[in-house]
Amino acid sequence: GEDVEQSLFLSVREGDSSVINCTYTDSSSTYLYWYKQEPGAGLQLLTYIFSNMDMKQDQRLTVLLNKKDKHLSLRIADTQTGDSAIYFCAETPGNQFYFGTGTSLTVIP
Amino acid sequence: DAGVIQSPRHEVTEMGQEVTLRCKPISGHNSLFWYRQTMMRGLELLIYFNNNVPIDDSGMPEDRFSAKMPNASFSTLKIQPSEPRDSAVYFCASSGLAGGNTGELFFGEGSRLTVL
Repeated sequence: GEDVEQSLFLSVREGDSSVINCTYTDSSSTYLYWYKQEPGAGLQLLTYIFSNMDMKQDQRLTVLLNKKDKHLSLRIADTQTGDSAIYFCAETPGNQFYFGTGTSLTVIP
Repeated sequence: DAGVIQSPRHEVTEMGQEVTLRCKPISGHNSLFWYRQTMMRGLELLIYFNNNVPIDDSGMPEDRFSAKMPNASFSTLKIQPSEPRDSAVYFCASSGLAGGNTGELFFGEGSRLTVL
């Protein structure tokens, strides 16, 4: 499989911004995705970005894409306790989804 | 739509027993994926099907693992014989477009397997 790397843990205080980073390997991905996994559940799509875009904003979420460095980030503004979860980035070369290791976000009240 | 449905949600079995995990993809989706999630390895792609045909099974760990998709609405992942290191959460996911790189992947809630 592909190597999609993320830091394992992130803690932030409620109301602060969270930034989750991801590096991927395959530049042929048409889309890059962010998924969220809550305890005991499957992954759910949070947002995605088309590979020819640099930025996408969706309410509290901002996705930044640096194609040169193969770096993807997810910023969550005004982080809430309900945002505590594991966040996965995914690249999609060919017909497959390759997920990162996941970043466990803990929001401290 | 009920989403991707997996069964059983939890299974506890003894080493050497056969385990069968089941998945019903979202109606109309033509791609189906099986993933395994563990603390050590994260989320691993085991196999994926397109139009019921296995396209890439390079992630299947060994011959003890097999997957089938006899029709568009059903898939199984079988482990025979099971071993303690197979303990994990197994996810099934489906996608509505040919291949997985242009459509959202919808996940089931997973089957948590414990092999004693």
